[in-house]
Amino acid sequence: TQLLEQSPQFLSIQEGENLTVYCNSSSVFSSLQWYRQEPGEGPVLLVTVVTGGEVKKLKRLTFQFGDARKDSSLHITAAQPGDTGLYLCAGRNRRSLRGAGSYQLTFGKGTKLSVIP
Amino acid sequence: ETGVTQSPTHLIKTRGQQVTLRCSSQSGHNTVSWYQQALGQGPQFIFQYYREEENGRGNFPPRFSGLQFPNYSSELNVNALELDDSALYLCASSLSDNEQFFGPGTRLTVL
Repeated sequence: TQLLEQSPQFLSIQEGENLTVYCNSSSVFSSLQWYRQEPGEGPVLLVTVVTGGEVKKLKRLTFQFGDARKDSSLHITAAQPGDTGLYLCAGRNRRSLRGAGSYQLTFGKGTKLSVIP
Repeated sequence: ETGVTQSPTHLIKTRGQQVTLRCSSQSGHNTVSWYQQALGQGPQFIFQYYREEENGRGNFPPRFSGLQFPNYSSELNVNALELDDSALYLCASSLSDNEQFFGPGTRLTVL
């Protein structure tokens, strides 16, 4: 069974502070995704990282995929109240059962971020 | 373009009952995946349907079953409900193995 451990589980910070969220696994994934989920809504994809060592930036968010493709981090610079939400990492592995094949997503438990104005 | 929709939004059932949840996939998508998200947890993969056939299943018992229709909408059925089935049920549609787009979920409470 592939497991993804996210830390910290909860994070409450002041507006303008920086933060880093971690996602670790003992398994290798073909790629890893980060999602943000707000109350009453489904997760929304932020980024997909594929190559070991890859770094992607999305405005104030920086995502890194570990060299061994087992871990990832999300760094937010100068957090804003609009960043509040549940951040989920999900490992993707291909399952070629039929046709074009499919990806199965394995999610971590998430990091609940609160940014206080 | 209409996104992924789910119905109902909320549902309350009692132990032993059966429930059917519905998902309309995004236009042009042929794959639907279902997830269970318990309170304080991340989503757990239940199963996936590709072109009307089951295309992978997570660690859930047979009382969790599903269907996908020719228009690629989908149903999740749960028989003999248990208290631990209380959760947010999410469906996600995609075009084959491309990005999955999630619906808002159905909140199921089992009393």
